[in-house]
Amino acid sequence: GAGVSQSPRYKVTKRGQDVALRCDPISGHVSLYWYRQALGQGPEFLTYFNYEAQQDKSGLPNDRFSAERPEGSISTLTIQRTEQRDSAMYRCASSPTGGLHRGDEQFFGPGTRLTVL
Amino acid sequence: ILNVEQSPQSLHVQEGDSTNFTCSFPSSNFYALHWYRWETAKSPEALFVMTLNGDEKKKGRISATLNTKEGYSYLYIKGSQPEDSATYLCAFPRGETSGSRLTFGEGTQLTVNP
Repeated sequence: GAGVSQSPRYKVTKRGQDVALRCDPISGHVSLYWYRQALGQGPEFLTYFNYEAQQDKSGLPNDRFSAERPEGSISTLTIQRTEQRDSAMYRCASSPTGGLHRGDEQFFGPGTRLTVL
Repeated sequence: ILNVEQSPQSLHVQEGDSTNFTCSFPSSNFYALHWYRWETAKSPEALFVMTLNGDEKKKGRISATLNTKEGYSYLYIKGSQPEDSATYLCAFPRGETSGSRLTFGEGTQLTVNP
């Protein structure tokens, strides 16, 4: 597609439920990033992939959060046993060359607004 | 400086004014600095990626400069228009390469009054 897409755009769930958030990066982009953005703040890193390999998951807040990118394209961020503090905007970004080029931009998707009741 | 810091936090200007704001970042192990423009309810839009000390980049009325030795970047907007109202974020890659996580500043929220 023309840009990074994410689905769903909005998700409301009850505490304790599992949710899966999907990211479809720009076609051919090597790197895929997940960020979480609280209201009024900049994005905060969660994890990233080069192709299908998870390179860094140091930003995942706890073991309820996991991500995969099995075929090196679409990625899913899963939150198990959701809690109210998980409510945020979850953004995905992709970049072309996996950091081989210093000038690589990260292109952001529209985000999924997660609300945990 | 251990993280990315932006100032001021918010700025209100009149249409036609020129304005600038600052991003400060760790000057050691510099790799790149990113500027984004973010309107609420939209995706952050990449403005510039700056990699070389002394870099100056321009896009329309917006330009940015970079000083990697002292660890700062300035973003300038000439002749501000109401449609420039947004939050301007800078971000610094952490990790071993630029293909790694971005650490964002808190942003400068610009409001341009008609």
